[in-house]
Amino acid sequence: NAGVTQTPKFQVLKTGQSMTLQCAQDMNHNSMYWYRQDPGMGLRLIYYSASEGTTDKGEVPNGYNVSRLNKREFSLRLESAAPSQTSVYFCASNGLAGAYNEQFFGPGTRLTVL
Amino acid sequence: AQSVTQPDIHITVSEGASLELRCNYSYGATPYLFWYVQSPGQGLQLLLKYFSGDTLVQGIKGFEAEFKRSQSSFNLRKPSVHWSDAAEYFCAVGGRYTGNQFYFGTGTSLTVIP
Repeated sequence: NAGVTQTPKFQVLKTGQSMTLQCAQDMNHNSMYWYRQDPGMGLRLIYYSASEGTTDKGEVPNGYNVSRLNKREFSLRLESAAPSQTSVYFCASNGLAGAYNEQFFGPGTRLTVL
Repeated sequence: AQSVTQPDIHITVSEGASLELRCNYSYGATPYLFWYVQSPGQGLQLLLKYFSGDTLVQGIKGFEAEFKRSQSSFNLRKPSVHWSDAAEYFCAVGGRYTGNQFYFGTGTSLTVIP
């Protein structure tokens, strides 16, 4: 099993450009999450999907959209990138529909917006 | 509201010394508690978790943590630190009443001196 995979690993964008971060898990998990990690701020939840067909906003959803394409895949889209979105983005999943069990994390995407 | 506090931003210990990383949480019911470790440039890996029962839990890499309900704490300990333990450590809380979300502390960075 590959666990949680993310693409790309690195990306540089110019202000105003758009891009989609891809995430997939092969553990048959119900719930998937997108976080951003900034120095001194820990992990902040952007969006999550408790189960296939549902998505909900987290703490910092502005400027992002998500799609739960199927049970395996959960993508994060930046429609018009801003320098404030420079960050490391992590996708995670967990098996139960709810915060009842540990999350499994992908390796991260390092995004720089110029 | 749920929250997690890690009071120590950075800790430096000598190799072979003992380690304790502090975590305090705010949660209105029995929490599910987690400790994760993040090596540089990597995703987060679960060290240990507490759901119920014995308040002293053992994890991987020789780590343990103790849940103290009266102090709302879940401190991470290791009797003898190895140079490879240098990393960022995150405490997190989840549970039935967090709205399917996990809440992370801001992390503690550990430096190990040879």
